[in-house]
Amino acid sequence: EAQVTQNPRYLITVTGKKLTVTCSQNMNHEYMSWYRQDPGLGLRQIYYSMNVEVTDKGDVPEGYKVSRKEKRNFPLILESPSPNQTSLYFCASSFHRDRDQPQHFGDGTRLSIL
Amino acid sequence: AQTVTQSQPEMSVQEAETVTLSCTYDTSESDYYLFWYKQPPSRQMILVIRQEAYKQQNATENRFSVNFQKAAKSFSLKISDSQLGDAAMYFCAYRRPQGAQKLVFGQGTRLTINP
Repeated sequence: EAQVTQNPRYLITVTGKKLTVTCSQNMNHEYMSWYRQDPGLGLRQIYYSMNVEVTDKGDVPEGYKVSRKEKRNFPLILESPSPNQTSLYFCASSFHRDRDQPQHFGDGTRLSIL
Repeated sequence: AQTVTQSQPEMSVQEAETVTLSCTYDTSESDYYLFWYKQPPSRQMILVIRQEAYKQQNATENRFSVNFQKAAKSFSLKISDSQLGDAAMYFCAYRRPQGAQKLVFGQGTRLTINP
């Protein structure tokens, strides 16, 4: 089954404790992206990757890091989480060339930073 | 930069009735893609319908249809014969045809279906 898998689905942690949210897709997609969803703001892009070893900032990259060492994986790293990073996070992927095709989303990760 | 605006934070409709969700966007480009996504309480992002800007014909998917007004930069979603399962947050999104495939989302509209 084609899917984007995020882990964990829920996480409560404390300020300053490094955490990683994993994202993996099994569709051989070149493009992967992270969004955060906040009430009244919709979803905003954090980082994206056009292919292996190619990453770039989205609209709200501050406080986040990413890496793309393998095509299927695109982890989101919070080196020193703060309460303003409490949010719902989504990973998405798609083929780079298929511009009319929708992005496939993971099921979301709810992060609470105390 | 492109922006997407959904001016209705909440909407409600009686079951079996028709409801229209509004979306406007701002862009200087002539070719782009527009999407409506549904987010039920399960949090999944589910594609409802898509529209390519160069196609004048409005997209339809069963009970869902859009009214795409390119000159007015408007992209509304009409849900006919509303069902309880349509209750969700709905997001309008814009994507450029070139470059990175970033989706620009609106703020969302929460739709309630009254039995």
